[in-house]
Amino acid sequence: GAVVSQHPSWVICKSGTSVKIECRSLDFQATTMFWYRQFPKQSLMLMATSNEGSKATYEQGVEKDKFLINHASLTLSTLTVTSAHPEDSSFYICSASRENNEQFFGPGTRLTVL
Amino acid sequence: GNSVTQMEGPVTLSEEAFLTINCTYTATGYPSLFWYVQYPGEGLQLLLKATKADDKGSNKGFEATYRKETTSFHLEKGSVQVSDSAVYFCALSATTGAGTALIFGKGTTLSVSS
Repeated sequence: GAVVSQHPSWVICKSGTSVKIECRSLDFQATTMFWYRQFPKQSLMLMATSNEGSKATYEQGVEKDKFLINHASLTLSTLTVTSAHPEDSSFYICSASRENNEQFFGPGTRLTVL
Repeated sequence: GNSVTQMEGPVTLSEEAFLTINCTYTATGYPSLFWYVQYPGEGLQLLLKATKADDKGSNKGFEATYRKETTSFHLEKGSVQVSDSAVYFCALSATTGAGTALIFGKGTTLSVSS
């Protein structure tokens, strides 16, 4: 149990376009979902925390208008990178937690912006 | 603030060798400490955790002890296997405005050869 999926696993887009990444908890209801960003050979950096039905809480330095997060249900959160630019190219990872706070991670999405 | 520092990799070992991956942390309060493992092509998985000082987390032959006096949580395994080849992340829990989030180290790549 406690499986989290992400879709797509890999995406290439042109500069200026928007990209949506989905994160789903497949066999449990996630009270909280987290979005992380990972640069090569760097640690995972928390971008935002979202609770179902409420606005996401963004970490300092993360532009909320650029990285739109929607957490419409207890099993789905989406991250939309708006007007993507090459510097947004990265590995985006989501995690989901149940009430006991243990986080379960998705496999990640590799975004490349040309 | 909260931060995690772990040894740089890659770590290259022969099968059955002893493994140590160092991890130290700075934190306000008394966080829980974690080791996560990421196998090629998969998401992060919780390997072990410790929630208070002097606790020892263990799983699959790996161990780590929460040392408050040295602010460390070093990962050890007595005899590694080829299947242990992966990236290992040390992490601590931190309370944010939206709940409890994880602060990660940069990750250490372990490569075990037969």
